[in-house]
Amino acid sequence: DTGVSQDPRHKITKRGQNVTFRCDPISEHNRLYWYRQTLGQGPEFLTYFQNEAQLEKSRLLSDRFSAERPKGSFSTLEIQRTEQGDSAMYLCASRTGPSYEQYFGPGTRLTVT
Amino acid sequence: DAKTTQPPSMDCAEGRAANLPCNHSTISGNEYVYWYRQIHSQGPQYIIHGLKNNETNEMASLIITEDRKSSTLILPHATLRDTAVYYCIVIRDDKIIFGKGTRLHILP
Repeated sequence: DTGVSQDPRHKITKRGQNVTFRCDPISEHNRLYWYRQTLGQGPEFLTYFQNEAQLEKSRLLSDRFSAERPKGSFSTLEIQRTEQGDSAMYLCASRTGPSYEQYFGPGTRLTVT
Repeated sequence: DAKTTQPPSMDCAEGRAANLPCNHSTISGNEYVYWYRQIHSQGPQYIIHGLKNNETNEMASLIITEDRKSSTLILPHATLRDTAVYYCIVIRDDKIIFGKGTRLHILP
């Protein structure tokens, strides 16, 4: 039984560059979530998908951020024109109904220099 | 959002029971209480959830008061590996709104 996986685990980029992260949910999980966590804070909700449909986006998700889940399996989160404030851990989670517990991946730690 | 209130930190001696409290006075009648923990630099890990009855699994026990306004997570025999931030959560609209949780220190 494989859990949620995320790639890469760490990313260092220069300000202004674009980055893309990938999340592979647990097989058969139709709901997929993205969260962001900064140092000393709990994770903050960014967006979520049911299958390939993006159902909700947080106001935290500026127009520099875009997320996709094209075939209802893996998802990507892209950040364009990165800023130092984007430095954080980006977490992905998945679940399947009817229970609401979400299962988290190990996260991608982004450092913008 | 269904807010929860937790103490920022707690200490527990290794081998003793760790009792982590949570207040959730605005919880609705059909909302579950969930507990997660996050070990340093890892993703949050689901522990347990409950509605109104006490629950137990291989990781922990969850005691929910009769009025459902508070709950306690019990780790029966804490080990050093239980050192983590513990989050008490009420999931509303299918989103987890994390607070700052309780940082649990297990003392050798």
